[in-house]
Amino acid sequence: DSGVTQTPKHLITATGQRVTLRCSPRSGDLSVYWYQQSLDQGLQFLIQYYNGEERAKGNILERFSAQQFPDLHSELNLSSLELGDSALYFCASSLRQGSNEKLFFGSGTQLSVL
Amino acid sequence: GESVGLHLPTLSVQEGDNSIINCAYSNSASDYFIWYKQESGKGPQFIIDIRSNMDKRQGQRVTVLLNKTVKHLSLQIAATQPGDSAVYFCAGGYGGATNKLIFGTGTLLAVQP
Repeated sequence: DSGVTQTPKHLITATGQRVTLRCSPRSGDLSVYWYQQSLDQGLQFLIQYYNGEERAKGNILERFSAQQFPDLHSELNLSSLELGDSALYFCASSLRQGSNEKLFFGSGTQLSVL
Repeated sequence: GESVGLHLPTLSVQEGDNSIINCAYSNSASDYFIWYKQESGKGPQFIIDIRSNMDKRQGQRVTVLLNKTVKHLSLQIAATQPGDSAVYFCAGGYGGATNKLIFGTGTLLAVQP
């Protein structure tokens, strides 16, 4: 068990809808990362937060947004969903935002857009 | 663009044999590499890492070899066990930025009893 908790485990929704994915980092970890894993693709970095502040953005669509709350849990909001958004979404946490931080991944949220 | 890829999508080995999983990368500036294991229904789990100033690093039953000349790294698993069955993928980064890691697509290791 990595100590990173993601909910829900599975999410089925329709095109055009909005969903929220939740992540609780390991106790003591200040940095949270969101990744998307599609079929036949490696993990794609979406966004990183550190201690409540956005630190880096990757290949995140404008329809997607995220935030990290004072208790350090994070939420990834996906809106105007399209079929192509169907993927496994992972959250990872690390202690700090330093060099080559070790990432601890949650079990992911499987999103299916029908 | 940058890529980190695996040579084979699936590797089938007999229990007790050694496994070798390969990975190629394109960015010669990459200076840090990680191997992850992803079991079905779980998130990626750190196995071992190596920095570009090293050619080899050993862990418990695992060894990572780095060949910077041909931009290739491999993960060797000794005495492969059924519990090793999973998808293995490598990631490469540079400059220490964890958020800049490029992840490969993975090799499925199937351990036959």
